[in-house]
Amino acid sequence: GAGVSQSPSNKVTEKGKDVELRCDPISGHTALYWYRQRLGQGLEFLIYFQGNSAPDKSGLPSDRFSAERTGESVSTLTIQRTQQEDSAVYLCASSPQGPIMNTEAFFGQGTRLTVV
Amino acid sequence: DAKTTQPPSMDCAEGRAANLPCNHSTISGNEYVYWYRQIHSQGPQYIIHGLKNNETNEMASLIITEDRKSSTLILPHATLRDTAVYYCIVRGGYQKVTFGIGTKLQVIP
Repeated sequence: GAGVSQSPSNKVTEKGKDVELRCDPISGHTALYWYRQRLGQGLEFLIYFQGNSAPDKSGLPSDRFSAERTGESVSTLTIQRTQQEDSAVYLCASSPQGPIMNTEAFFGQGTRLTVV
Repeated sequence: DAKTTQPPSMDCAEGRAANLPCNHSTISGNEYVYWYRQIHSQGPQYIIHGLKNNETNEMASLIITEDRKSSTLILPHATLRDTAVYYCIVRGGYQKVTFGIGTKLQVIP
């Protein structure tokens, strides 16, 4: 596809259930980011993948959150035992980041997660 | 990452230039200045970026001071559709992209 694709676009889940969110980055982009945005708030960094390097997980809020990325392709963000405070829009972005490149990041439209 | 500071909100009259400031006093030599904006309910959108020279594209102009400690994003003729939160970010190379709270620009008819 031409852009970053996220699925599902909306997800309603019951408290305590696990959810999996998917991000398909732009082909060839080595960097992939996940962010969380609560209603009326700014973007909160969660995790950053850069090529085959170990991911920067410094933004994950708890051990209920995890993310994986297969090579330089799709990524999944998993939230276990969801809580109501997990309700937010989860945004994914990718960029062709490299040592001599300094380029923009392209964002998907996000997954709106509602925990009831 | 170098930190940035922006005013939390600004108003601009429709058709006038919107000048959005950003301070990044701890920026280092290999870090670029980026601007993104987020229109309500949408993912952030790239606007422009620069290293030390002023830059212009079809959306905006970026003015970076000679000491690179601050910059200004200029929307030359603001429209109602430019109402959004504008984020100023500095980063270089492999650094992760982190967002502050940005400036909420309200364009007034």
